[in-house]
Amino acid sequence: DAGVTQSPTHLIKTRGQQVTLRCSPKSGHDTVSWYQQALGQGPQFIFQYYEEEERQRGNFPDRFSGHQFPNYSSELNVNALLLGDSALYLCASSGVALAKNIQYFGAGTRLSVL
Amino acid sequence: TQLLEQSPQFLSIQEGENLTVYCNSSSVFSSLQWYRQEPGEGPVLLVTVVTGGEVKKLKRLTFQFGDARKDSSLHITAAQPGDTGLYLCASNSGTYKYIFGTGTRLKVLA
Repeated sequence: DAGVTQSPTHLIKTRGQQVTLRCSPKSGHDTVSWYQQALGQGPQFIFQYYEEEERQRGNFPDRFSGHQFPNYSSELNVNALLLGDSALYLCASSGVALAKNIQYFGAGTRLSVL
Repeated sequence: TQLLEQSPQFLSIQEGENLTVYCNSSSVFSSLQWYRQEPGEGPVLLVTVVTGGEVKKLKRLTFQFGDARKDSSLHITAAQPGDTGLYLCASNSGTYKYIFGTGTRLKVLA
């Protein structure tokens, strides 16, 4: 049973570019959350997707957007990249029918903005 | 907005020593989770505490939830190098948004 998978593992972009990160949830999970983790910090909640809709959003600008597909996989898009967007981006999945407070995290995508 | 403060930020100890890390909030937690994150990996859930005064044990790890549900502690007995990692507390206060603390980075030296 595959856990949460994220791609790519590493990414280097320059300021002003756009990036798309991908996440496949754990089998049986229908909810995907995205987090940004700066170096030396705890993860910060970006948003959560359920039933292909953004259900809740953290304090992130509109440059951060997402999508959930019918197979529950998800994408995180960041436009007009800034140096400060350099971070580890984590995806977590959970299941409503299961213990909904248990999140399983992927290994993350490390984004470097030059 | 609920803030979670963790202390200490860094801890370096010898194998076999005991340690305690703390998580405090200005608000009451509805529930609290502890995670461990190793380099190059995502956080892994260790435990969820829900009831004030609750104590849960996971092998050499003991988790305690404060009576007023505004603080929590994690105690490790006889630490081992495999315990090395970033320990994070998190709460969602009944919403879908999880707030994480800043973490305690633990290094256990052999």
